[in-house]
Amino acid sequence: QKEVEQNSGPLSVPEGAIASLNCTYSDRVSQSFFWYRQYSGKSPELIMSIYSNGDKEDGRFTAQLNKASQYVSLLIRDSQPSDSATYLCAVTYYGQNFVFGPGTRLSVLP
Amino acid sequence: ETGVTQSPTHLIKTRGQQVTLRCSSQSGHNTVSWYQQALGQGPQFIFQYYREEENGRGNFPPRFSGLQFPNYSSELNVNALELDDSALYLCASSLEGSYTFGSGTRLTVV
Repeated sequence: QKEVEQNSGPLSVPEGAIASLNCTYSDRVSQSFFWYRQYSGKSPELIMSIYSNGDKEDGRFTAQLNKASQYVSLLIRDSQPSDSATYLCAVTYYGQNFVFGPGTRLSVLP
Repeated sequence: ETGVTQSPTHLIKTRGQQVTLRCSSQSGHNTVSWYQQALGQGPQFIFQYYREEENGRGNFPPRFSGLQFPNYSSELNVNALELDDSALYLCASSLEGSYTFGSGTRLTVV
């Protein structure tokens, strides 16, 4: 049974600070890792995907993957109130279905 | 604009009734997956279709069934609705591992 765990939050950070979101997964053969942002009542939207160990940066977002520790994180620099949302971690293996974590609720305070 | 269209956007049904939800895949995407997202939880995998054949199923009872059509659009059918079926139902179409989610159907069972 593949499992993905996240702190449910809420995680509160002041505007301009760095938000750090963490995710662990149980299945060592997991291959692809994704971070989705979901605003209340809306569908998830893809922020980042990462496939190899190390860091991947895209604008204010950095995804970090450590397969040995079965750990993936998302850093949001210069957090803005518009970043307030639930962040979902998802893992998959060779195009099979996504396994999602429960999501972490982020609140960026003005 | 996601390119994946779901209908209807909202639906209210009575316990014991049957419901059909629809999804139009993004052009060229031959794989469609359905997820159920209860309030405050991450999406849970229901099943996946590839070229009109079911090729993966999550831990959902047989009263959850689906179809994929030659144009790769899809339906999710739920029989004998229960109160716990109230959720956001998400469709995701994909091609070679690239997933696009629809905007979802909010189902309320009363």
